[in-house]
Amino acid sequence: AQSVTQPDIHITVSEGASLELRCNYSYGATPYLFWYVQSPGQGLQLLLKYFSGDTLVQGIKGFEAEFKRSQSSFNLRKPSVHWSDAAEYFCAVVRLTGGGNKLTFGTGTQLKVEL
Amino acid sequence: NAGVTQTPKFRVLKTGQSMTLLCAQDMNHEYMYWYRQDPGMGLRLIHYSVGEGTTAKGEVPDGYNVSRLKKQNFLLGLESAAPSQTSVYFCASSFPGNQPQHFGDGTRLSIL
Repeated sequence: AQSVTQPDIHITVSEGASLELRCNYSYGATPYLFWYVQSPGQGLQLLLKYFSGDTLVQGIKGFEAEFKRSQSSFNLRKPSVHWSDAAEYFCAVVRLTGGGNKLTFGTGTQLKVEL
Repeated sequence: NAGVTQTPKFRVLKTGQSMTLLCAQDMNHEYMYWYRQDPGMGLRLIHYSVGEGTTAKGEVPDGYNVSRLKKQNFLLGLESAAPSQTSVYFCASSFPGNQPQHFGDGTRLSIL
């Protein structure tokens, strides 16, 4: 069965600093990977996705992620964090089946931004 | 441009009461999903539907029922609420294939 691990439960960075959130997946086939962001009291918003091709994918709000098959990782990065980036971030892998596209989520990383 | 709309946004129930959560999407998506979100556990799939009139169990289906009588609506029912069902519930929808899921803003449900 597929699984997603986000090793960091909480991360604190200073505004303007760079950010990297870690995600490791376990999946037997080529994974389809997503990063979502959840602001307090809100639903999940898609940041970016990886299906195939270029292993460095660009997303919204200045985020990017790099797929590394050899390390089973899909880490999220941002060169300069803004205070509005404070939120919870979820990595997910989708398993395509004839009966629905089932997402498996990591447990999330809570990002705090210090001004 | 509503996307995925969940009602109600908040609800407090007593143990043993029943209720139905409504999810509506206006994106003509075939697939719809119900998740629950609990601290430290991420989101877990309760039930899902791949089309009008069809439903299937997800990872944590016990204590819940669902119905999809219309393509745009997906209902989640709790027949006899238990404190363990206190959670935030999210509905999502998507097209088939490797398309991302779009989420509603959630329903915060407390069961006393």
